[in-house]
Amino acid sequence: DIQMTQSPSSLSASVGDRVTITCRASQGISNYLAWFQQKPGKAPKSLIYAASSLQSGVPSRFSGSGSGTDFTLTISSLQPEDFATYYCQQYKSYPLTFGGGTTVDI
Amino acid sequence: EVQLVESGGGLVQPGGSLRLSCAASGLTFSSNWMSWVRQAPGKGLEWVANIKQDGSEKNYMDSVKGRFTISRDNAKNSLYLQMNSLRAEDTAVYYCARGGAHGHWGQGTLVTVSS
Repeated sequence: DIQMTQSPSSLSASVGDRVTITCRASQGISNYLAWFQQKPGKAPKSLIYAASSLQSGVPSRFSGSGSGTDFTLTISSLQPEDFATYYCQQYKSYPLTFGGGTTVDI
Repeated sequence: EVQLVESGGGLVQPGGSLRLSCAASGLTFSSNWMSWVRQAPGKGLEWVANIKQDGSEKNYMDSVKGRFTISRDNAKNSLYLQMNSLRAEDTAVYYCARGGAHGHWGQGTLVTVSS
């Protein structure tokens, strides 16, 4: 199985901050990497697929980069509605696996 | 607008069975891989199973193989998850999601396995 390791597991930030979350795969996954945002009590929301492609309707302050084993999600200027938990997920091989999550709070 | 609506969750005793459904609208259902993903209380996301567009290929996580069966009815735009021999560790919110990259998600349905 491919293990997905996110860091940090949590971070504190302020509105306007630039935030970067890292996701590392235990083996190469090319660009088969997605990012999700989840708020408490809500379903996950897709932000990025194919490592760097923004889902329709997602604000441009979100961006993704990386290939192979190392990936990042960047929020260029944190907004109040961005405080949430973020997950990465690989879809290169089965079983599909998620990272453990990164909680972004104030 | 894509909508995925899950139903069928509830309280079931260990060893029991439950069938989840997911009704899809706003997309060409028959053109999409579909998945079930679960989230135990206070935990992260865990992929459970997925199914190819025509139902000819199905994949499962190891701990549910032989107990869960994923299926679909493209004429009804519906996805299903038959869950047998349920265990306490299957307690979770179950989401249906579109595609390998899970581009759209339903709101989830809670399955509680407890005596």
